[in-house]
Amino acid sequence: GEDVEQSLFLSVREGDSSVINCTYTDSSSTYLYWYKQEPGAGLQLLTYIFSNMDMKQDQRLTVLLNKKDKHLSLRIADTQTGDSAIYFCAESIDSNYQLIWGAGTKLIIKP
Amino acid sequence: EPEVTQTPSHQVTQMGQEVILRCVPISNHLYFYWYRQILGQKVEFLVSFYNNEISEKSEIFDDQFSVERPDGSNFTLKIRSTKLEDSAMYFCASSGPTSAGSFGWFFGPGTRLTVL
Repeated sequence: GEDVEQSLFLSVREGDSSVINCTYTDSSSTYLYWYKQEPGAGLQLLTYIFSNMDMKQDQRLTVLLNKKDKHLSLRIADTQTGDSAIYFCAESIDSNYQLIWGAGTKLIIKP
Repeated sequence: EPEVTQTPSHQVTQMGQEVILRCVPISNHLYFYWYRQILGQKVEFLVSFYNNEISEKSEIFDDQFSVERPDGSNFTLKIRSTKLEDSAMYFCASSGPTSAGSFGWFFGPGTRLTVL
């Protein structure tokens, strides 16, 4: 069945780049998303990418998609303490179809 | 950017009681959803709603659950007889166009349901 996998933790130094990785199994996935969840807060849509794209950049965020390997990554440049959160990867085969979620990667920032 | 809102932020109830979780989706969105996240676990899909009817539901969404859009703005999730295992954060979402002209899924801040 459909599955989305992420490593549970990532620790980086403030100012370095963070790269959060995600793999998915459904080759028919059309939309891939990154969400951010801060402690006690909801799910904030950071960015998304269509499956016909390889890369999308939005300020400090860069999303890379390797459709052949079903691998998605989120790069956060110049990581700040405010970036501390859990980052969820999610996929959907249709813009209005249910989202399939990864377990989330907790980003820990070291001073 | 418009937001999805949810009330209450925290609901405590006794096992067997009925609860209604409320959501106000973004006004020009047409698709609405409920997801839940049990503490420490993945976000799980419950149900999607379009054109005043359920378009898709998961195995979790059994006969104890129901959704309704009672007016033009609210979208509710009812759990008829709560169980301990219903304790979770419940997220409402809507999907549709964004102010930037693209497409997005937007989630509310969640309602934390605690069943005692």
